[in-house]
Amino acid sequence: AQKITQTQPGMFVQEKEAVTLDCTYDTSDPSYGLFWYKQPSSGEMIFLIYQGSYDQQNATEGRYSLNFQKARKSANLVISASQLGDSAMYFCAFPQAGGYNKLIFGAGTRLAVHP
Amino acid sequence: DGGITQSPKYLFRKEGQNVTLSCEQNLNHDAMYWYRQDPGQGLRLIYYSQIVNDFQKGDIAEGYSVSREKKESFPLTVTSAQKNPTAFYLCASSTPRGDFSNQPQHFGDGTRLSIL
Repeated sequence: AQKITQTQPGMFVQEKEAVTLDCTYDTSDPSYGLFWYKQPSSGEMIFLIYQGSYDQQNATEGRYSLNFQKARKSANLVISASQLGDSAMYFCAFPQAGGYNKLIFGAGTRLAVHP
Repeated sequence: DGGITQSPKYLFRKEGQNVTLSCEQNLNHDAMYWYRQDPGQGLRLIYYSQIVNDFQKGDIAEGYSVSREKKESFPLTVTSAQKNPTAFYLCASSTPRGDFSNQPQHFGDGTRLSIL
């Protein structure tokens, strides 16, 4: 069965430092994608970054990058130069088997950025 | 600006009452989704729709119903059969439809539902 795991319920980081949020997944699909979303306290889900399983390079979007290790089935989010506004819940997700882009979400990691 | 609008922001339900959550998008997306989020947890899929007049049950559809009469609209009804409706409900849309996609889902701001 497909499964996605975020093992860190909470993390904290000092402002301007980098932090890594872990995500592991389990799928037998040969081709898949992984998404990371940010959820501030206001509740909306903000798309951050996407990694395709056959992409040759790790995805990057501004201060966000993915440490994608396909053999280990992990797709860890790295946030560089943390800002106070990065304090939020972070979720990784990937599409369920059967198509239609139905997403399975991890339980999330709450990140607190300290000044 | 294009986006997804959910209303109301807060909703209270009495025992035995059905309530309907609104979701409207102007992104011209084919696919729309409803998720439920319980405190401290990830999102779980309730229903999804790939085209007008067609929708499918997700992982936790019991006690919920939907309709998709227009491409822009995908309302969710929480029926009295849903015994634990208190949660945060998020609507999303994406394109294209079909198998594995690299297109992210776009989300509304959510509706918080509580029991009176």
